[in-house]
Amino acid sequence: GENVEQHPSTLSVQEGDSAVIKCTYSDSASNYFPWYKQELGKRPQLIIDIRSNVGEKKDQRIAVTLNKTAKHFSLHITETQPEDSAVYFCAALVTGGGNKLTFGTGTQLKVEL
Amino acid sequence: EPEVTQTPSHQVTQMGQEVILRCVPISNHLYFYWYRQILGQKVEFLVSFYNNEISEKSEIFDDQFSVERPDGSNFTLKIRSTKLEDSAMYFCASLDRSDNEQFFGPGTRLTVL
Repeated sequence: GENVEQHPSTLSVQEGDSAVIKCTYSDSASNYFPWYKQELGKRPQLIIDIRSNVGEKKDQRIAVTLNKTAKHFSLHITETQPEDSAVYFCAALVTGGGNKLTFGTGTQLKVEL
Repeated sequence: EPEVTQTPSHQVTQMGQEVILRCVPISNHLYFYWYRQILGQKVEFLVSFYNNEISEKSEIFDDQFSVERPDGSNFTLKIRSTKLEDSAMYFCASLDRSDNEQFFGPGTRLTVL
């Protein structure tokens, strides 16, 4: 089955700096890659997603890149703010069938003032 | 905006007791999911449900677990005889087939004593 690895497990940046989180996946059939932000005790919230027919997607300060050949995808947050502090999870999914999400292990992002 | 809802928000039970976690997916969604998140760990897939039957289940979803859609709105997860290691946050999610975004409920925190 699909295996998603995520790095780093913790990331501390200064306010205004950029943050990059990287994930790799194992199943070449995976074709949908969402990123979730989870605050303590809350549900995962989708912040951006990318499909396998696209190499990059941007939404204001957040961007995601996908390299299908290497089977990795990355989340980029620019101009970080304290409210960006949270745990971020990447995930991969194969559309069709059960459409189950396989999550990465999470990255605790801390944005320091 | 429609949301997935879950009840209860917190359930405390004794080891060996049965629990039922309830979810109301978004009304026009067709796929339903349960995920589990042990404190401090990643979100793990348990089961997917479509057309009134299980479409996929993980190794975690053993004979102690069952799911049901007893009416047109509720989706339940039953754990027959709870173990200490079942303590986790349980998230329900639903999916509209026209897109891949899964919408998560707020979760039920299950504590097994």
